[in-house]
Amino acid sequence: DVKVTQSSRYLVKRTGEKVFLECVQDMDHENMFWYRQDPGLGLRLIYFSYDVKMKEKGDIPEGYSVSREKKERFSLILESASTNQTSMYLCATKPDYGYTFGSGTRLTVV
Amino acid sequence: GDSVTQMEGPVTLSEEAFLTINCTYTATGYPSLFWYVQYPGEGLQLLLKATKADDKGSNKGFEATYRKETTSFHLEKGSVQVSDSAVYFCALSEWGAQKLVFGQGTRLTINP
Repeated sequence: DVKVTQSSRYLVKRTGEKVFLECVQDMDHENMFWYRQDPGLGLRLIYFSYDVKMKEKGDIPEGYSVSREKKERFSLILESASTNQTSMYLCATKPDYGYTFGSGTRLTVV
Repeated sequence: GDSVTQMEGPVTLSEEAFLTINCTYTATGYPSLFWYVQYPGEGLQLLLKATKADDKGSNKGFEATYRKETTSFHLEKGSVQVSDSAVYFCALSEWGAQKLVFGQGTRLTINP
């Protein structure tokens, strides 16, 4: 089975900090995704990447950037964290048969 | 654009009750449809999927049928268990597209 590992389960950061959320997959999949999950809103796509150094904006990219220097690692960056970025962040990869999600990082910005 | 609408939650049922969670969608093409489940403290897991009209996806006693005429993909289970308590997400993916579009999620609680 594909494994998607997110480095932190819980993070607390201060407003204005630069925040890195890391995601690693253990297969050679090209497509990786970052979603944000909020109650009543479901999951919304922030960014995705279809190859090393390739990225595309999703539905809510504002305030975020991404980095994919190696195929197995896809990082989400909050350039200057704000309280409205308090959320659950989910990374996913997409093999042919469907998406595989990590366990999520619950980020609180205070 | 594409969208998915799920029935409002939370839903609370007794063990062995019949479950239906409604899901309707709007899509420009011919999407694949999915149900994902999220157990407490975990990420999302694929529960079942259907890739074309009239397909029925099934897994762990759950079923959903792709109804193109009503643009629906309702999730059903004949007899729920306490272990089915989770949040359920309906989602679609357009053919050739990479991303999933999710509904807002429905929290299900099963009481013994």
